[in-house]
Amino acid sequence: GDSVTQTEGPVTVSESESLIINCTYSATSIAYPNLFWYVRYPGEGLQLLLKVITAGQKGSSRGFEATYNKETTSFHLQKASVQESDSAVYYCALGMNYNQGKLIFGQGTKLSIKP
Amino acid sequence: AQTIHQWPVAEIKAVGSPLSLGCTIKGKSSPNLYWYWQATGGTLQQLFYSITVGQVESVVQLNLSASRPKDDQFILSTEKLLLSHSGFYLCAWGTGEAEQFFGPGTRLTVL
Repeated sequence: GDSVTQTEGPVTVSESESLIINCTYSATSIAYPNLFWYVRYPGEGLQLLLKVITAGQKGSSRGFEATYNKETTSFHLQKASVQESDSAVYYCALGMNYNQGKLIFGQGTKLSIKP
Repeated sequence: AQTIHQWPVAEIKAVGSPLSLGCTIKGKSSPNLYWYWQATGGTLQQLFYSITVGQVESVVQLNLSASRPKDDQFILSTEKLLLSHSGFYLCAWGTGEAEQFFGPGTRLTVL
């Protein structure tokens, strides 16, 4: 079936250090799914961080980057230098780009930044 | 700009009691609408989706039902709550092409 697996949290990183949250997916019902990173900041709702809908492309937002790698079925989230404001729960998601618009989420990774 | 509102913000209910959660989307005509659920410590699962008024498809069977009485409204309900219904319920809208946009959610505790 279709599934998403991401780095198990919680993850703690010191401010200004680099970050990588791993995400791998299995897509059996669609050859080229859309890939997303969503984020939930403390006290806020779930919001889209970045998306990539074409294999081989990179998405970026707020200093975060992720590359859609179809060969390794991965979509790792990276940031070169984290800030305290990046503390949040991050979710990798697989999207089916047909009418139903089903999203399949990973389990979420809670990130804490040490000042 | 589109806005999505969910009500109530939180509910504490007894096992066996009825439930109704609501969601309203403003600023978007004929959106696809979705209900998601997240158990404590679990992942987000899509429960229902609706492409048009009056039509709802079930994705996961959890003894819940959903209805779309208006273009901008999506209701999640059950006649009889179970302990396993506890969790966080999210409503979302999308166009069916790519990303979805989520509401603030409703925290449900069943005792």
